[in-house]
Amino acid sequence: EVQLVESGGGLVQPGGSLRLSCVASGFTFNSHWMSWVRQAPGKGPEWVANIKKDGGEKNYVDSVKGRFSVSRDNAKNSLYLQMNSLRAEDTAVYYCARGSMATGNAFDIWGQGTTVSVSS
Amino acid sequence: DIVMTQSPLSLPVTPGEAASISCRSSESLVSSNGYNYLHWYLQKPGQSPQLLIYLASNRASGVPDRFSGSGSGTDFTLQISRVEAEDVGIYYCMQAVQYPLTFGPGTKVAIK
Repeated sequence: EVQLVESGGGLVQPGGSLRLSCVASGFTFNSHWMSWVRQAPGKGPEWVANIKKDGGEKNYVDSVKGRFSVSRDNAKNSLYLQMNSLRAEDTAVYYCARGSMATGNAFDIWGQGTTVSVSS
Repeated sequence: DIVMTQSPLSLPVTPGEAASISCRSSESLVSSNGYNYLHWYLQKPGQSPQLLIYLASNRASGVPDRFSGSGSGTDFTLQISRVEAEDVGIYYCMQAVQYPLTFGPGTKVAIK
């Protein structure tokens, strides 16, 4: 079964850090761009970052540049998001999502999400 | 950034009837390869978003043929030919032609 499973969310104080993980199974992980997408409570999805198949290219939304870092370990079929200097506005459900060249990099597989809450 | 707008934002529907959602972008979504990098997602209550339509008009795997997408450039439409109860949720369009990737505000579809 094709699957993405996120973990690492939790409650953190403003200014703190968290590292999210996403483990992929059921497909050839190193053949796909991977993204992080977040959804604040009651809001629509917001793309956060993505990373090329070999990790050689990374892109970020402006609001997280310099604070968040996306990485991957293809040997472990894993995607990561290191989040530093967290702010209240980073509170959201964070999804990892698979991009596919065949679908114009549409997100054809999504995880169930992990919740990040930033509050004092 | 490319701004995505959708209309209507709320759409009450009767099962068996047709429904249509409009999505507009502030810039053309046509890539150099000629494809429109516009995708549609449905987020059912309590679930992660799921891909419905990619590259403006292609149904994703497993998506019923009552869903169809059309449009080009800056104007796109998602149509549901005969709405079923399981189609309720929030529909989002998303552009993937330029970073940052951006989503529309969503259209909430509910049964009357």
